[in-house]
Amino acid sequence: AQTVTQSQPEMSVQEAETVTLSCTYDTSESDYYLFWYKQPPSRQMILVIRQEAYKQQNATENRFSVNFQKAAKSFSLKISDSQLGDAAMYFCAYRSAIGDKIIFGKGTRLHILP
Amino acid sequence: DSGVTQTPKHLITATGQRVTLRCSPRSGDLSVYWYQQSLDQGLQFLIQYYNGEERAKGNILERFSAQQFPDLHSELNLSSLELGDSALYFCASSVSIRIRENTEAFFGQGTRLTVV
Repeated sequence: AQTVTQSQPEMSVQEAETVTLSCTYDTSESDYYLFWYKQPPSRQMILVIRQEAYKQQNATENRFSVNFQKAAKSFSLKISDSQLGDAAMYFCAYRSAIGDKIIFGKGTRLHILP
Repeated sequence: DSGVTQTPKHLITATGQRVTLRCSPRSGDLSVYWYQQSLDQGLQFLIQYYNGEERAKGNILERFSAQQFPDLHSELNLSSLELGDSALYFCASSVSIRIRENTEAFFGQGTRLTVV
């Protein structure tokens, strides 16, 4: 069974600085999809970025980028120029291309210090 | 707006009761997922339906059941409720995995269930 691990329960970063959130996953599949979701205090789940395992290029979305290391089964999220609105819980998620299930890590709570 | 609609937004009920949570997926999405999120916890996968059929099951209690109807909306039934069932219940939908793009799940705003 696939698992997703986020080893940092909480992190803090100074406003305008860069922070990296870690995620590792375990799977025997070669085809899958990875995501980072943001959950602000409103509790709404918002997609931040997606990565297809068959693509070698790391995904980027404005200030958000990932470092996808398929062999190491690592999928970290880098947030550049951190803003107060980035304060939230961040979840890493894995979607199987076979079974179609989507599973989440336990999350990392990110604090932005003004 | 994700396009996924969950009703009701809030629900307060007593222990031992039964409730039904409803989810309407995005137009065209065949997959529906249900997740439970207790206070300050991660998302626990409960169950997934695809085009009316159960596709995957997580740690769903026997007191809980779900179904997806021909119009693709889904309902999660929670019975013999206990205090520990108090949580935020999310529904999410997605396109078929055979479509290689936009493979993420789109989430509704959740139903906050309080059992007293």
